[in-house]
Amino acid sequence: GAGVSQTPSNKVTEKGKYVELRCDPISGHTALYWYRQSLGQGPEFLIYFQGTGAADDSGLPNDRFFAVRPEGSVSTLKIQRTERGDSAMYLCASSGTESPGELFFGEGSRLTVL
Amino acid sequence: AQTVTQSQPEMSVQEAETVTLSCTYDTSESNYYLFWYKQPPSRQMILVIRQEAYKQQNATENRFSVNFQKAAKSFSLKISDSQLGDTAMYFCAFIEVDSNYQLIWGAGTKLIIKP
Repeated sequence: GAGVSQTPSNKVTEKGKYVELRCDPISGHTALYWYRQSLGQGPEFLIYFQGTGAADDSGLPNDRFFAVRPEGSVSTLKIQRTERGDSAMYLCASSGTESPGELFFGEGSRLTVL
Repeated sequence: AQTVTQSQPEMSVQEAETVTLSCTYDTSESNYYLFWYKQPPSRQMILVIRQEAYKQQNATENRFSVNFQKAAKSFSLKISDSQLGDTAMYFCAFIEVDSNYQLIWGAGTKLIIKP
């Protein structure tokens, strides 16, 4: 596709449930980022992929959060045993190698945990 | 530690006025890139403007320009002839060239353009 695509755009779930958020980056972009953003705040880094491997997962808040990118394209962020504090906008971005820091963002997945 | 500070949580100006958003940062490196990103209400984040630290000339993109003061570690964004569509959160960020991927973000400035 032309841009970064994230699904679902909105997800409402109950505390304790499992959630998957999907990101389809711009074709050819090897770098992929997941961020979490609370209302009125800046993006909070979660994880960075270069190709298929997680080059930096230091931002994942705890072991309930996990992300994969098995074929170096689509990525899935997985959250187990969701908690109300996980409610936020989850942003995905991709980037080419030629312009460090120039990220192309998706529209985000808004997660609400009741 | 690298940090980015945006000291104006919120600003409001009339349409067609010029507005300047402030950003300061801290790094011990000399080779880095600076960015301003815009996030309109309920819409995706987009890159507004980019500045390479090794370039003395300030970057410009149509109505958007920066005032880059490397010694002062200051990187302000000027929006000329502001338009209603400029209403958004604006985030300042930088990346050290050696880091290759880790953007450091400011907390953002909420800009409201009033008709």
